[in-house]
Amino acid sequence: QSVLTQPPSASGTPGQRVTISCSGSSSNIGSNTVNWYQQLPGTAPKLLIYSNNQRPSGVPDRFSGSKSGTSASLAISGLQSEDEADYYCAAWDDSLNAPMWVFGGGTKLTVL
Amino acid sequence: EVQLVESGGGLVQPGGSLRLSCAASGFTFSSYSMNWVRQAPGKGLEWVSYISSSSSTIYYADSVKGRFTISRDNAKNSLYLQMNSLRDEDTAVYYCARDPTLARFDYWGQGTLVTVSS
Repeated sequence: QSVLTQPPSASGTPGQRVTISCSGSSSNIGSNTVNWYQQLPGTAPKLLIYSNNQRPSGVPDRFSGSKSGTSASLAISGLQSEDEADYYCAAWDDSLNAPMWVFGGGTKLTVL
Repeated sequence: EVQLVESGGGLVQPGGSLRLSCAASGFTFSSYSMNWVRQAPGKGLEWVSYISSSSSTIYYADSVKGRFTISRDNAKNSLYLQMNSLRDEDTAVYYCARDPTLARFDYWGQGTLVTVSS
C-alpha cells in the first residue's frame, strides 16, 4: 500500500489532455513539494516535474503540474504515443518517527 | 554529462549479503545527497535510503532498517549499499539517484538487479 494514492491507470487518444491525480496527507504533500517521474517501458525513471510545477530542461511544456492542499496533479496536453509510460508522484514525508521519501503506486498511461 | 552506473547485483540466497555500488561522474559528487530506490518486478517505485553529501544525515525505509547500510566515498565518487539478511521481498532492480538535498531525484542510474532466491 503506497503512502501517496494514484489511479492505477489512465488513457487518452492522441491530441487529448489527460490528468493524473496524487493524494497524500499533511506530513507529505501538505507540507512539501511534489515531484513527478516518467518511466518508459524497460527504462529507468526520469524526472518530469519538480517543485510542484517546474519542468527540467528538455521536458516539453505539454507536461504541467499543480498542487493544492494535500493533493497534486500531472496534466499532459496534446497527448502523443510516446507519452505511453508509467507515471509516479513523490514527496518528502516529515513524519517525526520516520522521515522518508514516499511514492505513489504509479499510473499506467495508455495512448489509445 | 551526469552519469550514474550501478553494479554489484546478482543472485543471492535468503539470509545472504550483497554490496551494491554506484559510480558517479559528470558532476561534483561531494556536493550532492544520494538515494537508493528499488523496484520489484512488475511493481512500483520504493525509496530505500538517503545519505547527505557529507554522510552526516542518513535515513532508511522501515522495510530495510537494521539490515541495509548506505555509505559513500566522496574521494572515489561512489555510493554504496550494503545489504544483509536479504529476504525474498528484497528482489528488485536497485537504482541510485542524485538528490539536491531532499529536493528531488534529478538523475537516475540504469539500475542493477538483485534476486533473492534459494
